[in-house]
Amino acid sequence: EAGVAQSPRYKIIEKRQSVAFWCNPISGHATLYWYQQILGQGPKLLIQFQNNGVVDDSQLPKDRFSAERLKGVDSTLKIQPAKLEDSAVYLCASSPHLWDSGYEQYFGPGTRLTVT
Amino acid sequence: SQQGEEDPQALSIQEGENATMNCSYKTSINNLQWYRQNSGRGLVHLILIRSNEREKHSGRLRVTLDTSKKSSSLLITASRAADTASYFCATDPYNNNDMRFGAGTRLTVKP
Repeated sequence: EAGVAQSPRYKIIEKRQSVAFWCNPISGHATLYWYQQILGQGPKLLIQFQNNGVVDDSQLPKDRFSAERLKGVDSTLKIQPAKLEDSAVYLCASSPHLWDSGYEQYFGPGTRLTVT
Repeated sequence: SQQGEEDPQALSIQEGENATMNCSYKTSINNLQWYRQNSGRGLVHLILIRSNEREKHSGRLRVTLDTSKKSSSLLITASRAADTASYFCATDPYNNNDMRFGAGTRLTVKP
């Protein structure tokens, strides 16, 4: 079974530029998550989709971050404009069910973003 | 904000020894999960324990949960160099859908 795919793996941009990350979850997984992991910290949930609907985006900085999951499969996360503090690894994860059903999440390799 | 807090922040042991990591959290939960993260394999799920369970085993892993103290522990027995990684607990707050990770324990197993 193929895992969660993410691209690109690395990205370096200057502040105020825009960037987009792509995620392809495991086939058939209804729930998709985007996390931000700053160096030395645990992952922080940014947004959670159930199929193509948003379940939770309370920690997403909506003035600069946006995400979509068209057709309930692939997802993109965009930052516009980027700030220095956005430097982090952006992790995508998927799960067959909602988190509160007690199912594990499967994580992709992440995209390491450096903002200079 | 992060819900779980792992302790210690870093742990260094010799191969063959046991490693114990602790996690404390603040609000009532549905379940708690432990994940491992290393540079080679990314973030990988290890074990899930539900709020009505007290102990769970998986291979060399043993997890306990004490909901009265809002704490959990992860024991790795007979550690191997390949166990070197960061270990995170993640909780699902009872009245909230979002999963919250702690800052992790960095485990180093010396051969």
